[in-house]
Amino acid sequence: GQQLNQSPQSMFIQEGEDVSMNCTSSSIFNTWLWYKQDPGEGPVLLIALYKAGELTSNGRLTAQFGITRKDSFLNISASIPSDVGIYFCAGQQVQGAQKLVFGQGTRLTINP
Amino acid sequence: NAGVTQTPKFRVLKTGQSMTLLCAQDMNHEYMYWYRQDPGMGLRLIHYSVGEGTTAKGEVPDGYNVSRLKKQNFLLGLESAAPSQTSVYFCASSQTPYGYTFGSGTRLTVV
Repeated sequence: GQQLNQSPQSMFIQEGEDVSMNCTSSSIFNTWLWYKQDPGEGPVLLIALYKAGELTSNGRLTAQFGITRKDSFLNISASIPSDVGIYFCAGQQVQGAQKLVFGQGTRLTINP
Repeated sequence: NAGVTQTPKFRVLKTGQSMTLLCAQDMNHEYMYWYRQDPGMGLRLIHYSVGEGTTAKGEVPDGYNVSRLKKQNFLLGLESAAPSQTSVYFCASSQTPYGYTFGSGTRLTVV
């Protein structure tokens, strides 16, 4: 099945640093979304992107829908301890499907 | 405001046993989904439903069956559990194809 390639798989940073992660695909997507999963919980939606080139912010988080519609980026500025978790990109493909395809996740660890 | 509730939260099965995972949502959402999460694999879609009485296969449907007899409930069944089905299972619901609300997961171990 269609997979999204998310990188990096894990990140170890210092508190206060900025974080960047991305998601790529060989196929075009209509919609890109970014989710965060805390330990023992289900993923929670952070940002949704609906148009190529769209840049959207949610507090310290900023995400962009790539111009080619085959990629998306998530940046976190000035990281804090509660940013720890697994971040997933997800996309809805062009054809059919009221369903999302998820990336493998980026595990973020922050050293205080 | 319960959202999406999954039961049970944890379960240990012996190989060959059967079980049913229950997902209930109180948001009157049309769409419901079952995903499994494995290390390094992200979330993979097992089955989904676009409305009461409908079901469809996802990316990894083998060994699982589902039913959506009532709009608010989506059941995932394992007919004969195998160790490869050891995973964390997440249910999600949405009113649109995008705005998923996830449950907190069921951790299943098959020994």
